[in-house]
Amino acid sequence: DTAVSQTPKYLVTQMGNDKSIKCEQNLGHDTMYWYKQDSKKFLKIMFSYNNKELIINETVPNRFSPKSPDKAHLNLHINSLELGDSAVYFCASSQDRGGTAFVAKNIQYFGAGTRLSVL
Amino acid sequence: SQQGEEDPQALSIQEGENATMNCSYKTSINNLQWYRQNSGRGLVHLILIRSNEREKHSGRLRVTLDTSKKSSSLLITASRAADTASYFCATGIIQGAQKLVFGQGTRLTINP
Repeated sequence: DTAVSQTPKYLVTQMGNDKSIKCEQNLGHDTMYWYKQDSKKFLKIMFSYNNKELIINETVPNRFSPKSPDKAHLNLHINSLELGDSAVYFCASSQDRGGTAFVAKNIQYFGAGTRLSVL
Repeated sequence: SQQGEEDPQALSIQEGENATMNCSYKTSINNLQWYRQNSGRGLVHLILIRSNEREKHSGRLRVTLDTSKKSSSLLITASRAADTASYFCATGIIQGAQKLVFGQGTRLTINP
């Protein structure tokens, strides 16, 4: 079983459309994340949820809206897609919000990524 | 701006040689982690070193951390073709929760 799974793996769409990417983790973790990796491979955090509560919200256009129906799921909805949204989006999870001396709680587990292409 | 900068951006060596990658960062950290990304895949955690540690080993991996210079290095000994991947350092910063800030990665190619 895949620990962190995202769907779809590829998403090709027209500018202006609305799309969603889904993420599920079966690790029993409390915290989930969305990252964006651009064409230069820079990986930047977008959002983090801990037990359905938003805890990290980076400077991201409000066209991006995360939704966490339960702690095992964190979906990403994008409105009015733009060319610059083309990237690979990664979901990740960790045991909890981290920052403690417990090494295991600071490790993040990543999904395989969703390659979004906006035409 | 990105927290971490990695050096070199690309490294190509022969199988069996050692590979060293460096990472520099700008602010105080709680920990520093290294991840590997195979082409078209997600990131996989390799090793974590806490800010009060100077060196850590895991199998063929050796990580050092110099907080006075705000830098870290990852050494892979006796490289194998399967080590071909991109390697990212990520600094763990506490802002209410741990936030990982990634460098741009080093693309490592091991030639058979």
